Amino acid sequence: GQNIDQPTEMTATEGAIVQINCTYQTSGFNGLFWYQQHAGEAPTFLSYNVLDGLEEKGRFSSFLSRSKGYSYLLLKELQMKDSASYLCAVRDSNYQLIWGAGTKLIIKP
Amino acid sequence: IAGITQAPTSQILAAGRRMTLRCTQDMRHNAMYWYRQDLGLGLRLIHYSNTAGTTGKGEVPDGYSVSRANTDDFPLTLASAVPSQTSVYFCASSDALAGYNEQFFGPGTRLTVL
Repeated sequence: GQNIDQPTEMTATEGAIVQINCTYQTSGFNGLFWYQQHAGEAPTFLSYNVLDGLEEKGRFSSFLSRSKGYSYLLLKELQMKDSASYLCAVRDSNYQLIWGAGTKLIIKP
Repeated sequence: IAGITQAPTSQILAAGRRMTLRCTQDMRHNAMYWYRQDLGLGLRLIHYSNTAGTTGKGEVPDGYSVSRANTDDFPLTLASAVPSQTSVYFCASSDALAGYNEQFFGPGTRLTVL
C-alpha cells in the first residue's frame, strides 16, 4: 500500500531552526509537496521537489532523496506565526496526491 | 470572487438526509478535487475531475457522488448521510496534473451528521 509518515507533533523555540521529516512509500513518484495548515484553515502550498536536493525559499527549505524515499522541511528563524501543521504529500503514478497525517509544530517563546 | 469558494461553511445534518456541498473556482483550472480531513488522518481523496465532463473515484468514494458540468463548479453530494461522514471537506483545484502545479484549496465545509 501507499504510506506517508511524519512525526505527529514537534515543539521548537522562537528564533530557532526545526526540521520536519517525511518518509514515503508510494506507487510511483511524480513530485513531493509541503503544505502549511493553520488550525481551522485550508492548507496552503509551501514547496515542491521533484529532483534530489535542496530547494530554498526564504526561511523555508525542502530536501528530497528519491532513493531513500525521504524528504524534510527546514524552517529557520522560527516565528510564532509558524505554529501550524505541516503536511507532506507525494504525487503518485496516477498523478494523485497521497497525504501524510501532518506534523503539528508548536512554537514556544 | 477570487480563488475557490465553498458553501456552506458549516452544516449539521440528520442522518439519512441528502446534502450537496458546493465548490466554485474562478481560476479556470482544469482539475478539481474533493478531500475529507479527519483528526489524525491525512487528507483523503473522495472524487476528482481532470477536466470538465469527466470525474473519477478517489480513495474513499463510497456514499459520495460528484458532477462536473463546467470548468468552474464541482459539487459533492451525499445521497443519504451517515455519522461516519462527519468531517471537514475541502475542495481544491490545480491548473494541470503534472509539473509545478500545486493544488489550491477552498476554505472548507465542516459537516456534522447526527
